[in-house]
Amino acid sequence: AQRVTQPEKLLSVFKGAPVELKCNYSYSGSPELFWYVQYSRQRLQLLLRHISRESIKGFTADLNKGETSFHLKKPFAQEEDSAMYYCALNPTGFQKLVFGTGTRLLVSP
Amino acid sequence: EAGVTQSPTHLIKTRGQQATLRCSPISGHTSVYWYQQALGLGLQFLLWYDEGEERNRGNFPPRFSGRQFPNYSSELNVNALELEDSALYLCASREGGYTEAFFGQGTRLTVV
Repeated sequence: AQRVTQPEKLLSVFKGAPVELKCNYSYSGSPELFWYVQYSRQRLQLLLRHISRESIKGFTADLNKGETSFHLKKPFAQEEDSAMYYCALNPTGFQKLVFGTGTRLLVSP
Repeated sequence: EAGVTQSPTHLIKTRGQQATLRCSPISGHTSVYWYQQALGLGLQFLLWYDEGEERNRGNFPPRFSGRQFPNYSSELNVNALELEDSALYLCASREGGYTEAFFGQGTRLTVV
């Protein structure tokens, strides 16, 4: 079965501090992985996907197949990064997104 | 271009009743997904429709059902409502394949 685990429900950091939101997955094949973000009073939206290997709003995520992880990182957190972050997996051939339970990031001034 | 729209925004029903939730995908998107976001449980996959057909469903009882219309809009029906069905129901649409999924603002269903 496909599963996404986000071990932290809440991550609280100060502005300017590094951030790492953890995501581990279980899937036997080669998944496609995403990070979605939900800012306060806004709808869920895509932040980044592993195949694009891009940096969005200073965030990056590297797929580590050996550790089955897809952690989201940002070197210097900003207050506007405060939001709910969801890691999601798209199993090959299923075209559905399996989400983790989410991590709330709180960046304090 | 309009995003994914869901109606109603809020819905209050009594236990045992039926609820109908609606979703209009982005123009050109043929796939519609339904998710349940219950408190503390994250997003649970409910149903996936593509080209009018149900392609996959999550681990939910049969009283959760739906359909997709020829214009690709979709309806989620929940029969015999239970208190634990209270949640935010999100609809997402995709153009196909492994493209980005765009989410609606959700319907907040409260069962009393």
